[in-house]
Amino acid sequence: NAGVTQTPKFRILKIGQSMTLQCAQDMNHNYMYWYRQDPGMGLKLIYYSVGAGITDKGEVPNGYNVSRSTTEDFPLRLELAAPSQTSVYFCASSQADRGTTEAFFGQGTRLTVV
Amino acid sequence: LAKTTQPISMDSYEGQEVNITCSHNNIATNDYITWYQQFPSQGPRFIIQGYKTKVTNEVASLFIPADRKSSTLSLPRVSLSDTAVYYCLVVPANDYKLSFGAGTTVTVRA
Repeated sequence: NAGVTQTPKFRILKIGQSMTLQCAQDMNHNYMYWYRQDPGMGLKLIYYSVGAGITDKGEVPNGYNVSRSTTEDFPLRLELAAPSQTSVYFCASSQADRGTTEAFFGQGTRLTVV
Repeated sequence: LAKTTQPISMDSYEGQEVNITCSHNNIATNDYITWYQQFPSQGPRFIIQGYKTKVTNEVASLFIPADRKSSTLSLPRVSLSDTAVYYCLVVPANDYKLSFGAGTTVTVRA
């Protein structure tokens, strides 16, 4: 199994540009999450989804958008990139209705905005 | 969401047992307690979850007192490869929203 796949692994954006971070999971999980992690800090939840067509804001949603049209994919859109969005972005998925809090994380996307 | 408080850092030596205590005073009745481990440049990895009493797996043990206002993750006989950040999470059973705090940086020395 591939698990959770994030693309790209690295990206440099100029201020004001836009991009989409891709996340795909092949485990048929219902929950999916997007986090950002700044150097030396913990993970902050940006958005999460409890299933296709349903998304909800996390702690730091400003400057980001998400969609969940399929169970497998949960892309994160950055509009008008700003230096404050320089971070490592992690996507995760879990099968929450089995009573488990185990989430599986991707390898991350390291984004630099200059 | 219940707020969690855990030490910022802990040092240990190879072969010792490491115990990390997390405080979650306003935990709700149906909340789970979950711990994750994160190595540098990697995403977090699930270690263990519990609801009450003691849970043990091949990696760690989780001790939860009756009032559930705290929990302790126990790592037996640590090695250098256990150097990582450890996160304590309280997860609502009706909304599996995983919120991470700052975590505890555990450094294992030879």
